[in-house]
Amino acid sequence: DAGVIQSPRHEVTEMGQEVTLRCKPISGHDYLFWYRQTMMRGLELLIYFNNNVPIDDSGMPEDRFSAKMPNASFSTLKIQPSEPRDSAVYFCASSLGGLNQPQHFGDGTRLSIL
Amino acid sequence: SQKIEQNSEALNIQEGKTATLTCNYTNYSPAYLQWYRQDPGRGPVFLLLIRENEKEKRKERLKVTFDTTLKQSLFHITASQPADSATYLCALVDSSYKLIFGSGTRLLVRP
Repeated sequence: DAGVIQSPRHEVTEMGQEVTLRCKPISGHDYLFWYRQTMMRGLELLIYFNNNVPIDDSGMPEDRFSAKMPNASFSTLKIQPSEPRDSAVYFCASSLGGLNQPQHFGDGTRLSIL
Repeated sequence: SQKIEQNSEALNIQEGKTATLTCNYTNYSPAYLQWYRQDPGRGPVFLLLIRENEKEKRKERLKVTFDTTLKQSLFHITASQPADSATYLCALVDSSYKLIFGSGTRLLVRP
């Protein structure tokens, strides 16, 4: 069974550049989540979607961050312009049936902004 | 706001012993609590979910308890193996309907 697929696995870019992270959730799952993980702050929820609709984006740090889910099988997280403090591992996860249900995570995108 | 506390120090135990990890939470009474395992360079993997009306849940060598009075969950791995070495995260849905994670406890099982 295909799990949650994220791309790219690693991204290194210079500050000021636009960064786009991609996620393909597990087929049939109705919730999709974007998280950021750092040593200092741990795993933080950025935004989540239910049936492709953004439900809560209160974790998005700034207007430089945006996320879309044009269809049930694809989501993007975009940072424009990127800054060094955005360096982190970004995870996408999906689940079926609600916030209390198990979440299935991808292996993340390790983002480094120079 | 909801806060989850896990021991930030690594737990180092001998193979075959029982590992016990602690998750404490404050300011809210969640209906569910989840445990995940995370290996280096990988995403968290779901292990167990326990509901507030369940005192204990088991899955193979894993056992989770949930004490709503103490606001604490304990995660046990019996007959631990070196392959159990990983970081273990607890998570719960807070009053804002978000799943929040503890910072995790790293477990090292020595052969």
